[in-house]
Amino acid sequence: GAVVSQHPSRVICKSGTSVKIECRSLDFQATTMFWYRQFPKQSLMLMATSNEGSKATYEQGVEKDKFLINHASLTLSTLTVTSAHPEDSSFYICSAKRGYQETQYFGPGTRLLVL
Amino acid sequence: AQTVTQSQPEMSVQEAETVTLSCTYDTSESNYYLFWYKQPPSRQMILVIRQEAYKQQNATENRFSVNFQKAAKSFSLKISDSQLGDTAMYFCAFMPAYAGGTSYGKLTFGQGTILTVHP
Repeated sequence: GAVVSQHPSRVICKSGTSVKIECRSLDFQATTMFWYRQFPKQSLMLMATSNEGSKATYEQGVEKDKFLINHASLTLSTLTVTSAHPEDSSFYICSAKRGYQETQYFGPGTRLLVL
Repeated sequence: AQTVTQSQPEMSVQEAETVTLSCTYDTSESNYYLFWYKQPPSRQMILVIRQEAYKQQNATENRFSVNFQKAAKSFSLKISDSQLGDTAMYFCAFMPAYAGGTSYGKLTFGQGTILTVHP
């Protein structure tokens, strides 16, 4: 149990376009989902926390107008990178947790390349 | 705010041997959780082991065990009988347990340790 999926697994887009990444909890209801960014051989950097039915909370330094997060249901959160630029190229990972349980379950990640 | 430090950027071990990865943390929280996650070349984050700070007994999961020293704020991971499939980047992570805090539910990760298991 506790499987999280992400789609797409990798995406290439042109500079200036928008890209949507989906994160789904497949076998549990996720009241909270998290979005991370990771550069090669570096740690995970938390971008934002999203709770079902409410606005996402962004970490300091993360542009909320650039990284739009929607958590419309207990099994789906989306991250939209708007007007993507080459510096947005990275590996994006989501995680999900049930209610007050402490363990986060991670998706397989999405590799974004902006040309 | 809390910090997590992994002072070993890279380590290597021979197959079947034992290796210990270090992690220290700093926090003013009295109750919290600690985790070790593994990220193999596929980049899928996998939970290895978790420890609740109020429990003095060290957590174990098969070949993986921790040495949790709360006073020293140390949380090391021991991997026994290392296998080739253990090759991965390992992250130590901290999470406050207090539901009313702004950091509740958020993981703070260390810098990671790349572990290579040699045949």
